[in-house]
Amino acid sequence: GENVEQHPSTLSVQEGDSAVIKCTYSDSASNYFPWYKQELGKRPQLIIDIRSNVGEKKDQRIAVTLNKTAKHFSLHITETQPEDSAVYFCAATPGGYSTLTFGKGTMLLVSP
Amino acid sequence: GAVVSQHPSRVICKSGTSVKIECRSLDFQATTMFWYRQFPKKSLMLMATSNEGSKATYEQGVEKDKFLINHASLTLSTLTVTSAHPEDSSFYICSARDSRGQETQYFGPGTRLLVL
Repeated sequence: GENVEQHPSTLSVQEGDSAVIKCTYSDSASNYFPWYKQELGKRPQLIIDIRSNVGEKKDQRIAVTLNKTAKHFSLHITETQPEDSAVYFCAATPGGYSTLTFGKGTMLLVSP
Repeated sequence: GAVVSQHPSRVICKSGTSVKIECRSLDFQATTMFWYRQFPKKSLMLMATSNEGSKATYEQGVEKDKFLINHASLTLSTLTVTSAHPEDSSFYICSARDSRGQETQYFGPGTRLLVL
């Protein structure tokens, strides 16, 4: 089955800096890669996703890149703000009726 | 759009009782829903996949007689924790996938269960 590794487990940055979270996956059949943000005690919220037919996707301060050959994908947050502080999860799935496999999460702390 | 509700948000029960948690997709139909368990500061652990009109598919190590899942309609799945024990205390989250075929999962707000 799929295995998703996520790094780092914690990340502290100053407000305004950029943050990068990286994930690797094992199943070459995986073709859908969402990123979720979870604030303490709240539901995971989808913030961006990418499919394997593209290499990069951007939505304002958030971008995701995908390298299919190396089987890794990354989340980039620019101009970080304190409200970006949360746990971020990456996930991967071969799609169809397959389930999502989640990484272990990255706790991002943005200090004012 | 793509709103998933979950009820109750928190529940406290005595050991040995059963607790039912409901997961509803409010503005879309969900042939497939998922139930996760999340421990403090940990990732989401998939317990089972709930399929409308058929039996749920349980992940390895999850007792199907302990965690009963029913998906009777395209907008509702229920998880019943039977004969709950303190070790069942956890944060249970459901998610739903739009029947129109997209892989995206939308999560409910979660249910915090405390078994005394």
